[in-house]
Amino acid sequence: AQSVAQPEDQVNVAEGNPLTVKCTYSVSGNPYLFWYVQYPNRGLQFLLKYITGDNLVKGSYGFEAEFNKSQTSFHLKKPSALVSDSALYFCAVRLYGSSNTGKLIFGQGTTLQVKP
Amino acid sequence: DGGITQSPKYLFRKEGQNVTLSCEQNLNHDAMYWYRQDPGQGLRLIYYSQIVNDFQKGDIAEGYSVSREKKESFPLTVTSAQKNPTAFYLCASSITARQSQETQYFGPGTRLLVL
Repeated sequence: AQSVAQPEDQVNVAEGNPLTVKCTYSVSGNPYLFWYVQYPNRGLQFLLKYITGDNLVKGSYGFEAEFNKSQTSFHLKKPSALVSDSALYFCAVRLYGSSNTGKLIFGQGTTLQVKP
Repeated sequence: DGGITQSPKYLFRKEGQNVTLSCEQNLNHDAMYWYRQDPGQGLRLIYYSQIVNDFQKGDIAEGYSVSREKKESFPLTVTSAQKNPTAFYLCASSITARQSQETQYFGPGTRLLVL
């Protein structure tokens, strides 16, 4: 079965330090990978996605993610964290050719806490 | 959240009552989706629609119903058959469901609580 795992419920980092939010996936075909951010009581905001090509994807608000096919990972990174980055982050996967289902498979989410 | 509106922001349901959550988009997207979010479980797909007058069940459709009479609207009804409706409900849309790389954009959500 296809799945997405975010192994850390919470990540704590000091402001100005680099941050990483981990995501691994298990799918039977070629994946399309997405990262979303959610602030309290709000909807999800799209950050970035990997479709094909360069394994390093740059997105909104200075975030980037690295696709690693051999490790089946798509970790979200930012060189210098801001307090305002504190939020809930979701990784999601969609299968190439899965257009008939329209389904995104989500990880359980990782809370990022950036301390001043 | 831009382009997708959900109402109300909070909704209270009494036992045995059906309630309807509104979702409207002005993005001219063909595909629309309903997800349910519970703490620690990520998002789960309830229903989706690829085009007007068509919709498909997702992973957790039992106790829910939808309609897609207009391109911009995709209301979700939580029926009395849904025994555990307390959750945060998110509507999303994408240009099309036929291309797997299309990004889904989300509305601000509706929090449903049971009285």
